[in-house]
Amino acid sequence: AQSVTQPDIHITVSEGASLELRCNYSYGATPYLFWYVQSPGQGLQLLLKYFSGDTLVQGIKGFEAEFKRSQSSFNLRKPSVHWSDAAEYFCAVGFSGGGADGLTFGKGTHLIIQP
Amino acid sequence: DGGITQSPKYLFRKEGQNVTLSCEQNLNHDAMYWYRQDPGQGLRLIYYSQIVNDFQKGDIAEGYSVSREKKESFPLTVTSAQKNPTAFYLCASSIGVSSFTGANVLTFGAGSRLTVL
Repeated sequence: AQSVTQPDIHITVSEGASLELRCNYSYGATPYLFWYVQSPGQGLQLLLKYFSGDTLVQGIKGFEAEFKRSQSSFNLRKPSVHWSDAAEYFCAVGFSGGGADGLTFGKGTHLIIQP
Repeated sequence: DGGITQSPKYLFRKEGQNVTLSCEQNLNHDAMYWYRQDPGQGLRLIYYSQIVNDFQKGDIAEGYSVSREKKESFPLTVTSAQKNPTAFYLCASSIGVSSFTGANVLTFGAGSRLTVL
């Protein structure tokens, strides 16, 4: 069965500093990979996705992520965070064979921005 | 604008009562999903449906029921058999398995928070 691990439950970053959120997956075939963001009390918004091709993908709000097959990772990065980036971030993996049963999500990383 | 509408936003229930959470989408998506979110637990799949009048259990279906009588609607009933129903519930949809890539791209509603008193 596929699984997703986000090793960091909380991360604190100063405003203007760079950010990297870690994500590792376990899956036997080619994964489809996603990052979603959730503001408090809200639904999830898609930041970016990887299906195939270029392993560095660009998303909304200045985020990017890099797929590294050898490390089974899909880390999310942003060069300079803003206070509005404070939120919960979820990494997810989908099934390249169809996706009938949705995505498998990690437990999330709570991002705190220090002024 | 197309999207997913969940209602109510907040719901309070007494123990022993059934409650139904509404989920409506106007995206013309075939597939719909219900997830439960608890602090520190991520999202866990309750039920999903790929077509009208058909649905499958997810990882934590016990104590829940769903129906899919219309393509646009996928209501979730939290029954009295659910031992710990207090949680945040998220409905999502996708194009469906007609598209290998599109099937994986989920669009979420804003969620419903259920509290058992």
